[in-house]
Amino acid sequence: NAGVTQTPKFQVLKTGQSMTLQCAQDMNHNSMYWYRQDPGMGLRLIYYSASEGTTDKGEVPNGYNVSRLNKREFSLRLESAAPSQTSVYFCASSEAGGHGNTIYFGEGSWLTVV
Amino acid sequence: AQKVTQAQTEISVVEKEDVTLDCVYETRDTTYYLFWYKQPPSGELVFLIRRNSFDEQNEISGRYSWNFQKSTSSFNFTITASQVVDSAVYFCALSEASGANSKLTFGKGITLSVRP
Repeated sequence: NAGVTQTPKFQVLKTGQSMTLQCAQDMNHNSMYWYRQDPGMGLRLIYYSASEGTTDKGEVPNGYNVSRLNKREFSLRLESAAPSQTSVYFCASSEAGGHGNTIYFGEGSWLTVV
Repeated sequence: AQKVTQAQTEISVVEKEDVTLDCVYETRDTTYYLFWYKQPPSGELVFLIRRNSFDEQNEISGRYSWNFQKSTSSFNFTITASQVVDSAVYFCALSEASGANSKLTFGKGITLSVRP
């Protein structure tokens, strides 16, 4: 009963380093998302993928790239990490078929950029 | 543009008190969906409820109840007889009506502390 699984759970990076956050879902969902959570800001959408083979920018895409590798997997890449990208990152997924579908979240990845 | 406002930032109550978490939203869509999520200290986001704009019936689930009022654009969440395990950050969210996916706009969250 895994749902949405994301790795790593914790990571410390130096400024300028790159890394990829991995996400996989086992619910056969078509849509996947990456959000970031910052204190006092709620959750903000970075990128999303409505279906396999498509990706779109969300509210805060700068400094990130994504890959929808297949239906199950959606990765988030930081090419050159900056301290402003210190945050908690959540991957999520939902069924296709229209708006309003419930989004299910992974457990979060705590990223610190020093 | 869509917006979700959770004006309360932190609430502290004593166990067994009732507490209401407020949520006010803005949208131009006539069809939309509202959600509440719970984020306990462990950090994961737990889905609590989803409500569509055509269904204004209040909902009760155990100690939890939700009051949806389109006239005031509010979707408030009440916990009856609160317990220490209810301590968490609670997020209200609104779903866009366009497109084939369910992007959510979140409020900034309300930190609820329930003291024994």
